[in-house]
Amino acid sequence: GEDVEQSLFLSVREGDSSVINCTYTDSSSTYLYWYKQEPGAGLQLLTYIFSNMDMKQDQRLTVLLNKKDKHLSLRIADTQTGDSAIYFCAESPYSGNTPLVFGKGTRLSVIA
Amino acid sequence: DGGITQSPKYLFRKEGQNVTLSCEQNLNHDAMYWYRQDPGQGLRLIYYSQIVNDFQKGDIAEGYSVSREKKESFPLTVTSAQKNPTAFYLCASSSGPRGGLLERTDTQYFGPGTRLTVL
Repeated sequence: GEDVEQSLFLSVREGDSSVINCTYTDSSSTYLYWYKQEPGAGLQLLTYIFSNMDMKQDQRLTVLLNKKDKHLSLRIADTQTGDSAIYFCAESPYSGNTPLVFGKGTRLSVIA
Repeated sequence: DGGITQSPKYLFRKEGQNVTLSCEQNLNHDAMYWYRQDPGQGLRLIYYSQIVNDFQKGDIAEGYSVSREKKESFPLTVTSAQKNPTAFYLCASSSGPRGGLLERTDTQYFGPGTRLTVL
């Protein structure tokens, strides 16, 4: 079955770059997603990347995809205290509206 | 404003009581989902529905029930059979098979969540 793995914690200093990593198992995944969850809130879609791309950039966010190694990363440039949250990686096993498969989330702590 | 609403934000229940959590969306999405979130365990899928009057069990459906009588609404009932119901519950929706060409049909959008506490 599908599985998505993430490290549970990451701590960075304000102004540094953060890199959150994710590995997945389903080689037929079509899209991969990054969501952000602030304390006590729902998940907010940050970005997604199609499996035939290897990079996508959106302002301070850069997503890198290594399809051969099934490795996805999210880089946040100039990390701010407001970036402190839990970040979830998710894969879409098929095209269509089947449920996404989520990792357990990486808690990012930004130290001022 | 289009979006997904969940109510109430906080809910307290006595042991042995059933309780229903509300989820409504005005995004015209076909598919809706319920997840449970516990600390350190990420999201676990309870039930999902791809179309009105149809739904499927997720990974942890025992002790829960759902209905999908309207496209906009997907209420979740936590029954007394659920042994450890205290958790944060998240509802989501996605456009489904009739989504537009420019929209990923499986991109899920989440509500703000309901925190259920059993006393």
